[in-house]
Amino acid sequence: DGGITQSPKYLFRKEGQNVTLSCEQNLNHDAMYWYRQDPGQGLRLIYYSQIVNDFQKGDIAEGYSVSREKKESFPLTVTSAQKNPTAFYLCASSVTGYTDTQYFGPGTRLTVL
Amino acid sequence: GENVEQHPSTLSVQEGDSAVIKCTYSDSASNYFPWYKQELGKRPQLIIDIRSNVGEKKDQRIAVTLNKTAKHFSLHITETQPEDSAVYFCAARGSQGNLIFGKGTKLSVKP
Repeated sequence: DGGITQSPKYLFRKEGQNVTLSCEQNLNHDAMYWYRQDPGQGLRLIYYSQIVNDFQKGDIAEGYSVSREKKESFPLTVTSAQKNPTAFYLCASSVTGYTDTQYFGPGTRLTVL
Repeated sequence: GENVEQHPSTLSVQEGDSAVIKCTYSDSASNYFPWYKQELGKRPQLIIDIRSNVGEKKDQRIAVTLNKTAKHFSLHITETQPEDSAVYFCAARGSQGNLIFGKGTKLSVKP
């Protein structure tokens, strides 16, 4: 999992602003994922991508958008439509979408001011 | 929908005792069950996993058991140490290939 990086580590957003969280991996993995973590809620899937130029909504996609233009990059945009965005965001990757082991990045903590 | 239930939500044990965390899953087609350990403010780290063609797997002080008929699996930690204190998550692979996580168990090991 050392091959997955996320930036920034901390991010502060004013209400009404869009912000983009970066996720990069150099593991040559096809599949990438975004999760949101709130206290006591575990990890909830926002979006996932099994291959370049393709992605699917997870359980809580409303208010978020993604792109997958390059294999190594899967940025997440938190839009102003997301009413409660303060959370810890984790990116993960796996060899393919149907192989099993997911490796996580270090996370980005987003706070809305 | 697909769901994973995890119990207990908190667990406190004395150093040297064993700890057991249990999970149940809803999709009978699930065939992969990983366990992750997450220390405060850090990323989840895979500690052990099991596939549906195996009933038990061990790695030093950690073991996982799977009962496919009952659709539940458990994490067993023996001879617990203070550094085992963390939040543990179970997961099951869903029909789309993604993982469905339980809500986590906060394990505290008291010296």
